[in-house]
Amino acid sequence: QQPVQSPQAVILREGEDAVINCSSSKALYSVHWYRQKHGEAPVFLMILLKGGEQKGHEKISASFNEKKQQSSLYLTASQLSYSGTYFCGTEWDQGGKLIFGQGTELSVKP
Amino acid sequence: DTAVSQTPKYLVTQMGNDKSIKCEQNLGHDTMYWYKQDSKKFLKIMFSYNNKELIINETVPNRFSPKSPDKAHLNLHINSLELGDSAVYFCASSVRVGTEAFFGQGTRLTVV
Repeated sequence: QQPVQSPQAVILREGEDAVINCSSSKALYSVHWYRQKHGEAPVFLMILLKGGEQKGHEKISASFNEKKQQSSLYLTASQLSYSGTYFCGTEWDQGGKLIFGQGTELSVKP
Repeated sequence: DTAVSQTPKYLVTQMGNDKSIKCEQNLGHDTMYWYKQDSKKFLKIMFSYNNKELIINETVPNRFSPKSPDKAHLNLHINSLELGDSAVYFCASSVRVGTEAFFGQGTRLTVV
């Protein structure tokens, strides 16, 4: 059961904000966020464990709503360097396999 | 020094051939993975090893066989290559399962 990300794609102007959602139909232990630029490897952003915590990484933060089995990635005051495909990966049990969503393509224009 | 390195970066081969992709990590991690990313960017786990022991084995055709000679290396051998095997294969490592993963630069496999 692959998590579902929304939106599939988003285009921003520099300085604008965006939210990417990741939803699971199954109870989650953790949610992982990665960013992949075109032609490159995925790069880790953050991990959120069940408990509804919020984490931050520069101007990128995320939350995990355990009740809704959903995580949201918040990008504020976007920069050109934020362009890429964002993947959420979900883990059902501690130490279990990571299943990635289909990705959200983010383009930041000047 | 590259943390997770894969060779080769590009691989073009004919259907039916056998090929290997090598992966090495110098991070001292215990866990290594192979992921496949298809043309639609879907990233799917294939295998995971922890300290040379196979711990995750997804429903991958048995033409794919991973081998971990030591915890710093995880190789992927593919027999009788098919057109549908064309994809980018990523190796990754982490301290343990469920923690931050570091990915190699990927191997773009094209089967013709």
